Amino acid sequence: QKEVEQDPGPLSVPEGAIVSLNCTYSNSAFQYFMWYRQYSRKGPELLMYTYSSGNKEDGRFTAQVDKSSKYISLFIRDSQPSDSATYLCAIRGQGGKLIFGQGTELSVKP
Amino acid sequence: DGGITQSPKYLFRKEGQNVTLSCEQNLNHDAMYWYRQDPGQGLRLIYYSQIVNDFQKGDIAEGYSVSREKKESFPLTVTSAQKNPTAFYLCASSIVDSTTYEQYFGPGTRLTVT
Repeated sequence: QKEVEQDPGPLSVPEGAIVSLNCTYSNSAFQYFMWYRQYSRKGPELLMYTYSSGNKEDGRFTAQVDKSSKYISLFIRDSQPSDSATYLCAIRGQGGKLIFGQGTELSVKP
Repeated sequence: DGGITQSPKYLFRKEGQNVTLSCEQNLNHDAMYWYRQDPGQGLRLIYYSQIVNDFQKGDIAEGYSVSREKKESFPLTVTSAQKNPTAFYLCASSIVDSTTYEQYFGPGTRLTVT
């Protein structure tokens, strides 16, 4: 079993839709959770960062962590074509190394 | 501007040749990382270094080598022993801090070996 699992998609939604991106993880000791956004042929950039359980909101983006279910989510409200990218969840593992999910490719159609 | 630079953006090599990918950062970060990205597989850690003159193998180090002679630089050599070298290679850096370990990424180098 992989330490972090993410549905690779692709996911296609119409402009204005609410998008839900999800990851599951296996180790209950993990506490730091991140979402990176990667545009085509570019390096990933940090989008959201959360510690432990709960929600964190930043504009149209909400990151949610459910430690009891070992489930992390990223919600995008009022999605825009500029949100089209690959979204990678990442979890901080032992020694500070990040463990990445496979990435979900999102396309927002005008 | 502070950031991470990787060069070149595209690299083509013949099978059997070693090739070195450059990574430089001016963020004054102690830690640097190399990842490989293949379609549908996310990022896989090749090597990382938390201090000058020291580095550790990641999950897929076979066929790769690195050096860390300067804080700002962490070059990756893809050797002829790497069986499937064609991939997108990403370099990252971070501070070494117990509370975050947020990593900042360079623009990547796409290596094609034929």
